[in-house]
Amino acid sequence: NAGVTQTPKFQVLKTGQSMTLQCAQDMNHEYMSWYRQDPGMGLRLIHYSVGAGITDQGEVPNGYNVSRSTTEDFPLRLLSAAPSQTSVYFCASLAGGEQYFGPGTRLTVT
Amino acid sequence: GQQLNQSPQSMFIQEGEDVSMNCTSSSIFNTWLWYKQDPGEGPVLLIALYKAGELTSNGRLTAQFGITRKDSFLNISASIPSDVGIYFCAGQWNNDMRFGAGTRLTVKP
Repeated sequence: NAGVTQTPKFQVLKTGQSMTLQCAQDMNHEYMSWYRQDPGMGLRLIHYSVGAGITDQGEVPNGYNVSRSTTEDFPLRLLSAAPSQTSVYFCASLAGGEQYFGPGTRLTVT
Repeated sequence: GQQLNQSPQSMFIQEGEDVSMNCTSSSIFNTWLWYKQDPGEGPVLLIALYKAGELTSNGRLTAQFGITRKDSFLNISASIPSDVGIYFCAGQWNNDMRFGAGTRLTVKP
């Protein structure tokens, strides 16, 4: 199993650009989520999904969209990037109370 | 929303010493988890706690789920240099998970 994979590892965007952060898991987990990590603030939940076709907002959803068309994939979309979205983004999947994180995407918005 | 207060923010200890860190919340959780994160990596689960009062060990690590369901602690005994990293607590309530701000641990050989 590859576990949770994320692409890209690094990305630089200009303000107003859009992009999609990819996340995939091969563990057949129903629950997947996206977090952002900023210095001194731990991880904050952006959006989560409890299964294909079902998504919900977390603590900091504004500026981000998600969809879950398959169990394996859970992409995160930034429609119009802003400097405040500069952060490290982690995707995770959860089963049996144990959450597995991807390696992260470091995003810089200039 | 639910907020977690994790302390201390950082610790500088000598190899061989024991370490203790904790998290408190104003709200209850039904699961507490402790993670370790190394630079450039995602967090890795260390211990998961599912019941109030539960005390669980994983090698040199021991964690407890507070009886009020609003707090948890993590102890590391006989620290070694590879314990260096950032430790995060997380509380889960249904599908929502909240993280503490982390405890940065430095171990001096």
